[in-house]
Amino acid sequence: EIVLTQSPGTLSLSPGERATLSCRASQSVSSSYLAWYQQKPGQAPRLLIYGVSSRATGIPDRFSGSGSGTDFTLTISRLEPEDFAVYYCHQYGSSPRTFGQGTKVEIK
Amino acid sequence: QVQLVQSGAEVKKPGASVKVSCKASGYTYTSYGISWVRQAPGQGLEWMGWISANNGNTNYAQKLQGRVTMTTDTSTSTAYMELRSLRSDDTAVYYCARVTLAPAAPVYWGQGTLVTVSS
Repeated sequence: EIVLTQSPGTLSLSPGERATLSCRASQSVSSSYLAWYQQKPGQAPRLLIYGVSSRATGIPDRFSGSGSGTDFTLTISRLEPEDFAVYYCHQYGSSPRTFGQGTKVEIK
Repeated sequence: QVQLVQSGAEVKKPGASVKVSCKASGYTYTSYGISWVRQAPGQGLEWMGWISANNGNTNYAQKLQGRVTMTTDTSTSTAYMELRSLRSDDTAVYYCARVTLAPAAPVYWGQGTLVTVSS
C-alpha cells in the first residue's frame, strides 16, 4: 500500500498569500496518477488537480500541481477567501487507492 | 448532468448491517464504475473499494474484506454498499464516486450518507 504523508498539518495564511502544500509517497506513484482534492465542511471532495499537474474543469489557474515520483506539491498562488479548506492528495495508480491525511489551510 | 444521489442517514447498533445506495443519472451507467470512500468524523478520506457497473467486478480494501459487499443494479443505475458487523469506528460519512475503468481521479461524488453506529 502506498502511504501518502502530507505536510504541514495546518497552514495559517492570510488572503492574497501563497500556499504551498506537500505530499510525499512511501513509494513511487504509478504513471503520475496523483490528484489533489479540496474539501469544505459538510461537502464532498472537489477534484482540483489530476495527473500531478492537470487542472480539472472549472478550476482557476491560481491552483497548480507539480512533482514526480514520490514528492508532490500543490500551490495556490494567491489565496482567495473561498480557498480556506482542507486539501487531500490521492494516488489512484495502485490498489488500494490511498489518500493523504489532509492539510488544513486556515485564515491567519 | 452527472448526478449521484445517495440514500439517507442511518443509525445502527453494533453488530448490525447497513446498506447504502447510490443512484446514478446523466451518463451511461455501465460505462463506468463506482468507488466508495468513507470519512470518520473529523478525519481524512478512506478508500473502501470499487465495483464495475459493467460486469460487477469488485476490488475491496483489505481491511474491510469479509465485511463489505458492493453490488450494482443496472436496471435502476444504482450501486449499493453493504457493511456488516458494524462497530463504533465504522461511524462515518460514506461517499460514492463515479470512476472510469482506466485509472482516473473521481470527479463526480454523491452527497454522502452519515452512518452512525451506537448502542
